[in-house]
Amino acid sequence: GNSVTQMEGPVTLSEEAFLTINCTYTATGYPSLFWYVQYPGEGLQLLLKATKADDKGSNKGFEATYRKETTSFHLEKGSVQVSDSAVYFCALRGQGGSEKLVFGKGMKLTVNP
Amino acid sequence: DTAVSQTPKYLVTQMGNDKSIKCEQNLGHDTMYWYKQDSKKFLKIMFSYNNKELIINETVPNRFSPKSPDKAHLNLHINSLELGDSAVYFCASSQAGTGHGYTFGSGTRLTVV
Repeated sequence: GNSVTQMEGPVTLSEEAFLTINCTYTATGYPSLFWYVQYPGEGLQLLLKATKADDKGSNKGFEATYRKETTSFHLEKGSVQVSDSAVYFCALRGQGGSEKLVFGKGMKLTVNP
Repeated sequence: DTAVSQTPKYLVTQMGNDKSIKCEQNLGHDTMYWYKQDSKKFLKIMFSYNNKELIINETVPNRFSPKSPDKAHLNLHINSLELGDSAVYFCASSQAGTGHGYTFGSGTRLTVV
């Protein structure tokens, strides 16, 4: 079945550091890929998405590119802020109308001033 | 104006009790879901309904029973609560066949004592 493997943290960075969170997936066909973010005490928010190979999703300074050849969707941000402290989830939704959203295990990021 | 709303936000109850969590979405989506997030932040799908019809039923104890009176509502009833049921439960919705991500509610933190 479909699965997502992502870096597990926790990770602590200083403000303005570069962030990369690795995510690879296993799926048949052409899934849609997502990054969700969960701020402390809140629900999940969609951060960005890509629905086909070579698409780049971007939002709030974060970006990720759908790489079918390496089955990856790594999340990057050039300069993190304290407000980026959260748990980040990579997720995949397979082809087909009722395909469920499958999540990676999540990675907790703490950014210190 | 909340897109996916769950009630209650917090629920503390004793072992053996029966409780319900309610979920409503006003996005016009045709599919709704329940996810469980454990203490390590791992997200696992429990159920999915499409137009009031059960389409995903993961390996979940029979004590958990979802009910969808219409496509805008998906409630979760839990019988004979156990300590291990303590978790955060997220409701979500999506439109089937679009490849889009899900919209999540803010979660219900269930604590069984």
